[in-house]
Amino acid sequence: QVQLQESGPGLVKPSQTLSLTCTFSGGSISSGAYYWGWIRQSPGRGLEWIAYIYYSGATYYNPSLKSRVTMSVDMSKDEFSLEMRSLTAADTAMYYCARVVAGATNYFDLWGQGVLVTVSS
Amino acid sequence: SYDLTQPPSVSVSPGQTASITCSADKLEDQYVCWYQQKAGQSPVLVIYEDKKRPSGIPQRFSASNSGNTATLTISGTQAVDEADYYCQLWDSSTMVFGGGTKLTVL
Repeated sequence: QVQLQESGPGLVKPSQTLSLTCTFSGGSISSGAYYWGWIRQSPGRGLEWIAYIYYSGATYYNPSLKSRVTMSVDMSKDEFSLEMRSLTAADTAMYYCARVVAGATNYFDLWGQGVLVTVSS
Repeated sequence: SYDLTQPPSVSVSPGQTASITCSADKLEDQYVCWYQQKAGQSPVLVIYEDKKRPSGIPQRFSASNSGNTATLTISGTQAVDEADYYCQLWDSSTMVFGGGTKLTVL
């Protein structure tokens, strides 16, 4: 059974850096049919795409977050990661990792359960 | 770039048909997909490439995309369909979500 699992700190101080990891199980992250992405959802709000990455390392970022975000992939561990810098309270959200089907269009066909990140001193 | 507009809320009676719209200029030029998110859960893909259903999604879920509007239709709506629904498209390597629609089954 394929699944994604996020891991990372639940609490981060303002101005610090958030590091999240997503582990893919039941398959290989180096499958060329998929990208791997991050989405967040602030409390009571809608979904916001953050970034996605191909196993080769090619990355695509939301222009509004690009200056603060970096994604990376570790094929040996079937993991991909998100780093977000200079956090503020506005970054408090549920962070989801997801698999992106690459084709005529890109969409998220598999989601992790999410990790709640609170930015507070 | 696209700005996807959804109505904040839609209400429907059990057994009736619910329609949720997603609008943007020339939306028909893009493939649209739809996600269902129940309270406290992760989103689930219910429609991709305008009208295709992933395996396991009930046939009562259907969709279309024409002109400036994509529409998700739930026929014979059930109480279990109460959720937030989001449209999404991919354009120029960017993923865009609509603001979401809360479907209430009264």
